[in-house]
Amino acid sequence: EVHLVESGGGLVKPGGSLRLSCAASGFTFSNAWMSWVRQAPGKGLEWVGRINTNTYGGTTDYAAPVKGRFTISRDDSKNTLDLRMNSLKTEDTAVYYCTTYSITVAGGFDYWGQGTLVTVSS
Amino acid sequence: QSALTQPPSASGSPGQSVTISCTGTSSDVGGYNYVSWYQQHPGKAPKVMIYEVTKRPSGVPDRFSGSKSGNTASLTVSGLQAEDEADYYCCSYAGNNLLFGGGTKLTVL
Repeated sequence: EVHLVESGGGLVKPGGSLRLSCAASGFTFSNAWMSWVRQAPGKGLEWVGRINTNTYGGTTDYAAPVKGRFTISRDDSKNTLDLRMNSLKTEDTAVYYCTTYSITVAGGFDYWGQGTLVTVSS
Repeated sequence: QSALTQPPSASGSPGQSVTISCTGTSSDVGGYNYVSWYQQHPGKAPKVMIYEVTKRPSGVPDRFSGSKSGNTASLTVSGLQAEDEADYYCCSYAGNNLLFGGGTKLTVL
């Protein structure tokens, strides 16, 4: 059974930094494209970014609002996915979900973690 | 790029059918057959219901179906049941980008 468990959320001041982690199990992590999706309180879903496999160079893509501030990385030896967030803004306040991408559903987010809340406030 | 456009709400009585639209552009919905739909109950993580416009993942009831015409994709829920009451989001591939719709709250009357 696939499990994705996020951690690292919390309260941070505007301009600050935070690192989220996602522990994955139940599938071959090194073969999986991974992604982060966020949801501001009471709002809709927003794609944050994705990383492909190291076979394809481990390259990343980001949504415009976070490009240059957020960095996605992966450690296939530990089956973990990270999201490093710098220069945080109040509008980055959201639940951040770790997801798999296109494992069984082409072009879609197959499995989701339970999410971790990031609050950016002074 | 802007989010895809969905109606904020939809409703139907048990047993009826409801269709939710998702409008984009030729750069996203109209340009690729990678439209997916997600169901989200309050306080829960989203769940994929449709992918590649029309395909259902294993375990999703065949009451859920998807289609696309031009720049607009649609999700139809037939034979509405109480447990279908949830928020629904469409998502489309758009090159090196993925776009979600604003979400539709489906109410089962």
